[in-house]
Amino acid sequence: DGGITQSPKYLFRKEGQNVTLSCEQNLNHDAMYWYRQDPGQGLRLIYYSQIVNDFQKGDIAEGYSVSREKKESFPLTVTSAQKNPTAFYLCASSEDSYGYTFGSGTRLTVV
Amino acid sequence: QQPVQSPQAVILREGEDAVINCSSSKALYSVHWYRQKHGEAPVFLMILLKGGEQKGHEKISASFNEKKQQSSLYLTASQLSYSGTYFCGTGGNWAGTALIFGKGTTLSVSS
Repeated sequence: DGGITQSPKYLFRKEGQNVTLSCEQNLNHDAMYWYRQDPGQGLRLIYYSQIVNDFQKGDIAEGYSVSREKKESFPLTVTSAQKNPTAFYLCASSEDSYGYTFGSGTRLTVV
Repeated sequence: QQPVQSPQAVILREGEDAVINCSSSKALYSVHWYRQKHGEAPVFLMILLKGGEQKGHEKISASFNEKKQQSSLYLTASQLSYSGTYFCGTGGNWAGTALIFGKGTTLSVSS
């Protein structure tokens, strides 16, 4: 079955550490997205990519970085510059004018 | 800019109806609706495109007023399974922009 796989499901980060969240899709979608979800805030856009080797910043890109070397993969790195990284991170993909398919998310906690 | 959803929360009994509204200060190309259950990924319900096209869930209907930059989601004869948080996502003036989501409306349906 086609879908989006996010890993790990839970991730713990120490202060000053960079961590990378994985997102892989086998839907052959061109566009991929990263959102951050905090209680009561909805989903806030971090980065998105419409095509391989190209990506754009969203509303809250500071402290995050991404790469899009393959169509199937869009990993997100949470750097030490992100001062409040504890949140639920959702990856999604889409084809033009169709709904987004979301992964099951990664819950990141700073310890 | 984040779209504004109203109401923030709705409590229903099975069989009752509800309307969830979404408004934006920007011109819209599309409006998406998603439902998220606690701890899970959002699930696509419906997309409404500029010009009147709609795609989505059979038992859920929605409207899109392009001039007023507003959309409403109509949940009729609600079932227990309708409980969750509903998000609208709004797209800009072309298909390549990423969705910006509202803060969500929590719907609770009881028997």
